Amino acid sequence: GAGVSQSPSNKVTEKGKDVELRCDPISGHTALYWYRQSLGQGLEFLIYFQGNSAPDKSGLPSDRFSAERTGGSVSTLTIQRTQQEDSAVYLCASSLVASLSSYEQYFGPGTRLTVT
Amino acid sequence: AQKVTQAQTEISVVEKEDVTLDCVYETRDTTYYLFWYKQPPSGELVFLIRRNSFDEQNEISGRYSWNFQKSTSSFNFTITASQVVDSAVYFCALTENRDDKIIFGKGTRLHILP
Repeated sequence: GAGVSQSPSNKVTEKGKDVELRCDPISGHTALYWYRQSLGQGLEFLIYFQGNSAPDKSGLPSDRFSAERTGGSVSTLTIQRTQQEDSAVYLCASSLVASLSSYEQYFGPGTRLTVT
Repeated sequence: AQKVTQAQTEISVVEKEDVTLDCVYETRDTTYYLFWYKQPPSGELVFLIRRNSFDEQNEISGRYSWNFQKSTSSFNFTITASQVVDSAVYFCALTENRDDKIIFGKGTRLHILP
């Protein structure tokens, strides 16, 4: 019974470089969510997937951010040309389906991204 | 627009004291869901409770209790006889009738001092 896993756990990158963050949801969970947690800013919704589709991309902060999910399982969040303000903990969560009134979200441990 | 406010940024209490974490929300919908999550130092958020807008009964689970009051748009969380293991950041959150998206408050960092 593995939980949600994320890799890497920590990533330090230079400003301007691209980074990829990976999320492996709980097996059988069709919904997958990405959040960003910045110091003092709480959790900010970025994007979610139901299956391989992303019905709501409204939370992505800029066009430098993109995400994909293939095979209804693993998801990758990509940040291009990283900026220092991208430094944060990126959290992934999954649920059985995208219905938070009925199904609990399970969170991964996060990826701490530091842009120098 | 929906919004969740946790006015208490940080709270410190001595072990065994009771502590209440405040949460005030804004929404235009009549159907919505409120949540509390705990984020211990390990970083993984842990679900504590979900409450729908039609159920105003208070809930108790062990040392945890929740007070939902629609009249004041509040969903407060009380820990009785606090323990050091309760030290964490606690988030209040809200979904509206469209329940595929959750909005979090900024969290309250709780320190339980031995």
